[in-house]
Amino acid sequence: DIQMTQSPSTLSASVGDRVTITCRASQSISSWLAWYQQKPGKAPKLLIYKASSLESGVPSRFSGSGSGTEFTLTISSLQPDDFATYYCQQYNTYPFTFGPGTKVDIK
Amino acid sequence: EVQLVESGGGLVKPGGSLRLSCAASGFTFSSYSMNWVRQAPGKGLEWVSSISSSSSYIYYADSVKGRFTISRDNAKNSLYLQMNSLRAEDTAVYYCATEPGGSGSYYMDVWGQGTTVTVSS
Repeated sequence: DIQMTQSPSTLSASVGDRVTITCRASQSISSWLAWYQQKPGKAPKLLIYKASSLESGVPSRFSGSGSGTEFTLTISSLQPDDFATYYCQQYNTYPFTFGPGTKVDIK
Repeated sequence: EVQLVESGGGLVKPGGSLRLSCAASGFTFSSYSMNWVRQAPGKGLEWVSSISSSSSYIYYADSVKGRFTISRDNAKNSLYLQMNSLRAEDTAVYYCATEPGGSGSYYMDVWGQGTTVTVSS
């Protein structure tokens, strides 16, 4: 199975900060990576697919990059609505696997 | 509006069974692969199972293989997860989610609100 790791596990930031979350895969997954945002008690929401493609309706302050085994999610200017937990997911190979999540909280 | 609504969760004893349902609306259900994803209390997301549009391809996580069965009824726009031999570690919120379709598009773009399964004596 492909293992996904994320760093950091928790990130404290302020409104307006630039935030970067890293996701690593245990083997190459090409660009078959998605990023999701989840708020407490809610379903995950798709932000990015194919490593860098922005899902329709998602603000342009979110961006994704990377390929192979290393990927990043960047929020260019953190907004109050962005405080949440973020997960990466590989869909290169079954079983699909998620990263453990990165919680972005208020500094 | 694309909508997925899960139901069927509840409290069940270890070793028991439960059948989850996911009702789809607002899109051509029969054209899209579907997934179940779960989240244990306070934990991260875990993919459980996938089924292709015509049920030709089915995949399971090792943690549920042999105990859970995914199925769908395209005439009823519904997805199911039959869960047998339930264990305490199956306690979670279970989400159904659809894939957008197309080559390589195996990510999940629309999610239901989830249904809670609690396995406890």
